[in-house]
Amino acid sequence: DTGVSQDPRHKITKRGQNVTFRCDPISEHNRLYWYRQTLGQGPEFLTYFQNEAQLEKSRLLSDRFSAERPKGSFSTLEIQRTEQGDSAMYLCASSVTSGTNNEQFFGPGTRLTVL
Amino acid sequence: DAKTTQPNSMESNEEEPVHLPCNHSTISGTDYIHWYRQLPSQGPEYVIHGLTSNVNNRMASLAIAEDRKSSTLILHRATLRDAAVYYCILSATLTGNTPLVFGKGTRLSVIA
Repeated sequence: DTGVSQDPRHKITKRGQNVTFRCDPISEHNRLYWYRQTLGQGPEFLTYFQNEAQLEKSRLLSDRFSAERPKGSFSTLEIQRTEQGDSAMYLCASSVTSGTNNEQFFGPGTRLTVL
Repeated sequence: DAKTTQPNSMESNEEEPVHLPCNHSTISGTDYIHWYRQLPSQGPEYVIHGLTSNVNNRMASLAIAEDRKSSTLILHRATLRDAAVYYCILSATLTGNTPLVFGKGTRLSVIA
């Protein structure tokens, strides 16, 4: 399967711990996006990259959140000192800026539960 | 990005057509209308997009009102696999290369 992959699929952690999620985009895709989705809501944009450059961060992305895409391929999203309010599904998506692309391709998400 | 309004939920019988409405009364002249859907326990997937003219693809059709203040996603024959949350999204760009602004979407239930 050559779609967007995310690891882990599920993460349970205790409040105050740090967690890191990984996203592997479709190989030729130069843009990579992170979204967060809570129960009953649509996904909310967090941040996105073009290659290794972080182009935009949402106001939702507090100082405890950091995202990287060091070589312009995979990306990591780290949450420090997790809080119960961080419990959500974290979705990654990728797209390509060349040609006539019309869509973002989403991964299956990482479900985070903070106890 | 302009706001969209969708019904919270809809229900359809299997193998019947489904019309999913979306209101976007504050749409600007250059906003594109994109539809995504999210199957249970999966990430969203692209369905269709359009600007002014009606559009068809293998998944669905998109009917856009002449004043562009509303649009309708049409599934010609609903199957059980079409049960999902459908999101209507406005974007200033044709491409999928800017962050998407999702609302709550419409949860479609399909009855066998």
